[in-house]
Amino acid sequence: DQQVKQNSPSLSVQEGRISILNCDYTNSMFDYFLWYKKYPAEGPTFLISISSIKDKNEDGRFTVFLNKSAKHLSLHIVPSQPGDSAVYFCAASASEDDYKLSFGAGTTVTVRA
Amino acid sequence: KAGVTQTPRYLIKTRGQQVTLSCSPISGHRSVSWYQQTPGQGLQFLFEYFSETQRNKGNFPGRFSGRQFSNSRSEMNVSTLELGDSALYLCASSSSLGGELFFGEGSRLTVL
Repeated sequence: DQQVKQNSPSLSVQEGRISILNCDYTNSMFDYFLWYKKYPAEGPTFLISISSIKDKNEDGRFTVFLNKSAKHLSLHIVPSQPGDSAVYFCAASASEDDYKLSFGAGTTVTVRA
Repeated sequence: KAGVTQTPRYLIKTRGQQVTLSCSPISGHRSVSWYQQTPGQGLQFLFEYFSETQRNKGNFPGRFSGRQFSNSRSEMNVSTLELGDSALYLCASSSSLGGELFFGEGSRLTVL
């Protein structure tokens, strides 16, 4: 049973434009949300996180928005750069120090020059 | 600081065999987690160890097991391999302060 869903398997965006990645979850116990980025032949690397007490967290070009009532979060990348081409995974856990993460299936982002 | 190291990187086994994968966490990290990644399924949590104790376990059959040593290095074992066990197995470590996981490059297992 997939508790975290990324319904768009792929996204293509032009360089300089905004990339918006979406993620939905079903478990109301989830309290901490993360985004990971993965290049081929490498392990996932942490990108940004958000606690349920916030509705927005920003780090440079990356912003994560959380809508708890809709059980939905999104990642905005502005502006998109060719180096952002990767697979992005949304993940959730019951708390910040709970290492049992539930991951989505991932969204492959391709940034076109 | 060296990252998370997983060995072997690639391996091929046949059905019914068993396999052991190894993970060396980042120095100072006491938590080690294991995940299975298959196409279209994302990463599925296998188990997490902290100070040699299994702290959490995912929904995998008993054929999947793991352990952690006193130096925080961890191993996972899969017995009686099935074709569906073909996957990328990722290990991640974290400091006891909580927060993000640091992943290794993974061990890609192919079961024939």
